Amino acid sequence: DSGVTQTPKHLITATGQRVTLRCSPRSGDLSVYWYQQSLDQGLQFLIQYYNGEERAKGNILERFSAQQFPDLHSELNLSSLELGDSALYFCASSVAPDGGYTQYFGPGTRLTVL
Amino acid sequence: QKEVEQDPGPLSVPEGAIVSLNCTYSNSAFQYFMWYRQYSRKGPELLMYTYSSGNKEDGRFTAQVDKSSKYISLFIRDSQPSDSATYLCAMNAGGTSYGKLTFGQGTILTVHP
Repeated sequence: DSGVTQTPKHLITATGQRVTLRCSPRSGDLSVYWYQQSLDQGLQFLIQYYNGEERAKGNILERFSAQQFPDLHSELNLSSLELGDSALYFCASSVAPDGGYTQYFGPGTRLTVL
Repeated sequence: QKEVEQDPGPLSVPEGAIVSLNCTYSNSAFQYFMWYRQYSRKGPELLMYTYSSGNKEDGRFTAQVDKSSKYISLFIRDSQPSDSATYLCAMNAGGTSYGKLTFGQGTILTVHP
């Protein structure tokens, strides 16, 4: 167990809908990262927050947004969902914002868009 | 062309074999190199972490980084059936990339008894 929690574990929804994925980082970690894993694209970085502020952005779609709250938990919002958004979404956390610090991954949320 | 290339395998070896997993990359700015192990339907778990070039050993695992060739390797000695998983290499450039990790596609490894 990495200490990173994600809810829900599974989510099934329809095209056009909006969902929210939640992540609680390890105790003491200030950085939160979101990744998307699909069969064709592999594991792709979406976005990073550090202590409530956005720090780095990857190829995150405009339909997707995220935020980190004062208690350091983070939410990833996916809207106008398409079939291609079906994937595993992972949250990771680290103590600091830089690449030199170990990222611990949560168990993931499996999103299925029908 | 992807920044990080990794042979997806699958790779099947007998128990006790030495396993070699490799990644190549094109971005010369990468300076942090990691290997993650991912079991089916689980999150990636960090196995090895290396900064810049060189070797690092941890039990049955050895990570090698050759920045001049843009090539990294993970060796698993005395492989066990419990090593059966997908192995992902990951890299970070530091600086303004902050914590962004770029992953390879992953290599599926099966160790059979």
